[in-house]
Amino acid sequence: DVKVTQSSRYLVKRTGEKVFLECVQDMDHENMFWYRQDPGLGLRLIYFSYDVKMKEKGDIPEGYSVSREKKERFSLILESASTNQTSMYLCASPSNTEAFFGQGTRLTVV
Amino acid sequence: DQQVKQNSPSLSVQEGRISILNCDYTNSMFDYFLWYKKYPAEGPTFLISISSIKDKNEDGRFTVFLNKSAKHLSLHIVPSQPGDSAVYFCAASERGGSEKLVFGKGTKLTVNP
Repeated sequence: DVKVTQSSRYLVKRTGEKVFLECVQDMDHENMFWYRQDPGLGLRLIYFSYDVKMKEKGDIPEGYSVSREKKERFSLILESASTNQTSMYLCASPSNTEAFFGQGTRLTVV
Repeated sequence: DQQVKQNSPSLSVQEGRISILNCDYTNSMFDYFLWYKKYPAEGPTFLISISSIKDKNEDGRFTVFLNKSAKHLSLHIVPSQPGDSAVYFCAASERGGSEKLVFGKGTKLTVNP
């Protein structure tokens, strides 16, 4: 059974903290993505990676960075968390026919 | 500029009837389209996809129709069941399923018993 696993289901962080969201896939896929989902806005692409050490900005990269040191792991980093980064964060790893999503991390920044 | 549009934020249908969810796109480079279902506090689950070389794809109760000239696709669910109640997202990509997906804002479907 294919799996994309996000390290936390729920997180509460303080404004200004550095936050790490971890995602691991066991499908040996090249590509991995980070999205955020907000009510009424759908899923918006933050960053994506086509290979180890490679990263590209998506539609809303401001305030975020990523790390891909190993093929199976793609980390999203909030350098200095702000309240407008309160959201559901979704990691995805696509095959040729569909993208598999993790269970999501609900991040609240207070 | 929104490239994938789901103009109906919500839809309510009776159990056993047909649910039709619509999606429009503006980018003529899109060649692969997908529908996802999402429950609250969970990740999206893939439902069905269609390539631009087809105009219809069926999988059990789910059928997706693609009208390339109108840049429109729709998802039909027949018969609708209460467990289908969720938010449905339409997504599109330019180079198949392994590329980055552009999502619509979603349609919340409620199936009433």
